[in-house]
Parts: sequence; structure tokens; C-alpha cells
Amino acid sequence: DGGITQSPKYLFRKEGQNVTLSCEQNLNHDAMYWYRQDPGQGLRLIYYSQIVNDFQKGDIAEGYSVSREKKESFPLTVTSAQKNPTAFYLCASSITGGGNYGYTFGSGTRLTVV
Amino acid sequence: GQSLEQPSEVTAVEGAIVQINCTYQTSGFYGLSWYQQHDGGAPTFLSYNALDGLEETGRFSSFLSRSDSYGYLLLQELQMKDSASYFCAVTDDKIIFGKGTRLHILP
Repeated sequence: DGGITQSPKYLFRKEGQNVTLSCEQNLNHDAMYWYRQDPGQGLRLIYYSQIVNDFQKGDIAEGYSVSREKKESFPLTVTSAQKNPTAFYLCASSITGGGNYGYTFGSGTRLTVV
Repeated sequence: GQSLEQPSEVTAVEGAIVQINCTYQTSGFYGLSWYQQHDGGAPTFLSYNALDGLEETGRFSSFLSRSDSYGYLLLQELQMKDSASYFCAVTDDKIIFGKGTRLHILP
């Protein structure tokens, strides 16, 4: 079955360490996205990519970096520059801009920085 | 700037009907989407409205008025499994999400 795989589900890191969250999709979607969700909050866009080797900053890109070397993969690195990295991170993909077909989300990675 | 407003919480009784409203102010607009998210889970796509009017999908319906920058999600015959958070989202070249409405259902 096609879908999006995020790994790991839970991740613990020490403050000051960079950490990379994995996102892989086999839906043949062109566009991929990273969102951050804090408790009781909506989803805030970190980065998005509509084509391989190209990506754009979202609303809260500071302290994060991404790459899009393959259509299927869009890893997110949370750097030590991110002041408050503990959150639930969601990766999504879509056919185009995500309109009438919607986004397909992965199951998320819960990152805790101690 | 861009903003989406929806109530933070709504409570309804099992078997009843509930409406969750959403108003938006965005620089670009292709359509309004709705997503459902259960606690600890990933959001799932419910509906999309690009044109004015009502779209029905089973027990769920979604409405859009582009002139009023307003839409709503209507849930009928509520079931306990409908207890979740519901997000409206505006599609531009990407999707911007509202903060979500937590739906509580009483037996």
C-alpha cells in the first residue's frame, strides 16, 4: 500500500545536538511538506518542496534545514539553532499544491530535547 | 498577513448535528479544506471546496462562501468516534492550517 513513512516515531536528543527526521513516500507525489505541531495548536509550515532539488521556507523555517535529492525523500534536520525544538513533527505529500486531493500525512515524529 | 479563525472547542451530543465555522484572511486562495485529527494521530483529509456551495460526503458536509471568506464543516448523526480536532485550511501554493477546533461528544 502507498503511503508516507516517518521514522522514528519517538526521538530523544540532548540540547545542542542536530537531529534528522526521516520522511519517505511511495505515492509518486511531487510535493512534500514539513509541519510542526505544538500541544493544542495548529500545524505550522516549516519547509515545502514542489519538485526535486528545490524547496521553499515556510512560516517557521529558522533553525531547520531540508534537502530534496530524491522525489521519494524529504528529510528534515532540526539544528541546535532551533530554540524550542520539542514538538510533534508531521510530514505530508500531495499531487500538486494539495488542493482537492488533499495532503497525505505521515504518522509523525515526536521529538523531545532534554 | 494570513489568518484563519475557528472556535477552539465545540461540544455536542451523540446523534446530534454540529457545525464548525471557519473564517479566513489570506493573500491567495484556491480553496478551503477540512482535516480531522485524533489525539496522537496524523491529520486526515475530509473535504475540499473550491467553489461556493455545499459539498456532501456521507455524514460530513462542507460549505464555502468566497465572498464572505467563510466556510463551515457540518457533521451529522454524531458518533463517539467523531471526537477529534478539526482543522480548516486554505490552499494557496501550499496549505495554511487554522489552529483547530476540538470537538467533544457527550453520550
